[in-house]
Amino acid sequence: GAGVSQSPSNKVTEKGKDVELRCDPISGHTALYWYRQSLGQGLEFLIYFQGNSAPDKSGLPSDRFSAERTGGSVSTLTIQRTQQEDSAVYLCASSPSGGTSTDTQYFGPGTRLTVL
Amino acid sequence: GQQVMQIPQYQHVQEGEDFTTYCNSSTTLSNIQWYKQRPGGHPVFLIQLVKSGEVKKQKRLTFQFGEAKKNSSLHITATQTTDVGTYFCAGSEGFYKLSFGAGTTVTVRA
Repeated sequence: GAGVSQSPSNKVTEKGKDVELRCDPISGHTALYWYRQSLGQGLEFLIYFQGNSAPDKSGLPSDRFSAERTGGSVSTLTIQRTQQEDSAVYLCASSPSGGTSTDTQYFGPGTRLTVL
Repeated sequence: GQQVMQIPQYQHVQEGEDFTTYCNSSTTLSNIQWYKQRPGGHPVFLIQLVKSGEVKKQKRLTFQFGEAKKNSSLHITATQTTDVGTYFCAGSEGFYKLSFGAGTTVTVRA
């Protein structure tokens, strides 16, 4: 597609439920990143994919968070047993080659997650 | 670990005035990028600075990378209502990972 797409755009869930957030990167982009943005805050790095592998999972807040990427394209971020503090906008970004910080990151519109 | 700090957090500007937002890193950076996020939108890449002391301009926006590559600034002249949004700097020590500052949220009084 023309840009990074994410779905759903909004997700409201009850505490304790699992949620899956999807990211479709720009076609051909090797690198994919997930960030979390809490209200009025900056972007918190969660995980980085280079192709299908995730060399850096250091930003995942807890073992309730996991992510996978298949076919070097679509990625899914899963949050198990959601807590109210998980409420935030989850942003996905992709870049052409990754492995270098000089790549421009192209962001998707985000998924706004609200945990009641 | 690497930390990137931005000040001010909020900037209220009279239309037509100039302002500057600053970005400071606890470590020496390989490069720094600036992004703009409009209200309700997502971050959009503005520019990247790589060289020590580098200055780049985009119309009314001037970006600067410090000599020590530990700080950066964004200066906007003659602020317009289209400048409203949050400006993020993002620094890297040389690998894939960008550390984002908390952003400067700009509002404009007409």
